[in-house]
Amino acid sequence: AQSVTQLGSHVSVSEGALVLLRCNYSSSVPPYLFWYVQYPNQGLQLLLKYTTGATLVKGINGFEAEFKKSETSFHLTKPSAHMSDAAEYFCAVSPNTGGGNKLTFGTGTQLKVEL
Amino acid sequence: DGGITQSPKYLFRKEGQNVTLSCEQNLNHDAMYWYRQDPGQGLRLIYYSQIVNDFQKGDIAEGYSVSREKKESFPLTVTSAQKNPTAFYLCASSIDIAAGAYEQYFGPGTRLTVT
Repeated sequence: AQSVTQLGSHVSVSEGALVLLRCNYSSSVPPYLFWYVQYPNQGLQLLLKYTTGATLVKGINGFEAEFKKSETSFHLTKPSAHMSDAAEYFCAVSPNTGGGNKLTFGTGTQLKVEL
Repeated sequence: DGGITQSPKYLFRKEGQNVTLSCEQNLNHDAMYWYRQDPGQGLRLIYYSQIVNDFQKGDIAEGYSVSREKKESFPLTVTSAQKNPTAFYLCASSIDIAAGAYEQYFGPGTRLTVT
């Protein structure tokens, strides 16, 4: 069975500072990896995903994530935080062993951006 | 515009009543999903459907029922047997449930409050 751990349920950064949101997965085979963002009382929007190929993935709104197999991690980063980045971020995985497209989500990280 | 619609945005019901949440997509996706979101718990899968007239239980199906009579529609009924129905409900779709590399697209959600 696969699982996802997001370290830190709340992260606070200053505007212009680096954003780092952590995600580690547990799976016998490296899964497909996703980051979603959710603004208050809205649905989830895909930021980026890793399936195959280059391990550094660029997404929307200046975010990127790097798949590190040796560390079973897929941390999300952004060089300079904006106020508009304040939201909840979810890491998710799905199996790449023919097990279908059922996503397993982490518990989320609430990002706060301060002036 | 292609997308997923959920209605209503907010729903209030008395305890003991069944309630049906609507989900419609015009993305021509085969797979559809229902998730429940509670604070600090991420998203949990209730039901999913790969094709019309077929659906499978997710991790927390007890107290819920679904139907898939049309490709574009996947309504969720929260029955009186669901012990704690107050939550935010999210509907999603993806091109194909068989391949884990495809991302899921989410609707705006329905916030259900049962008193």
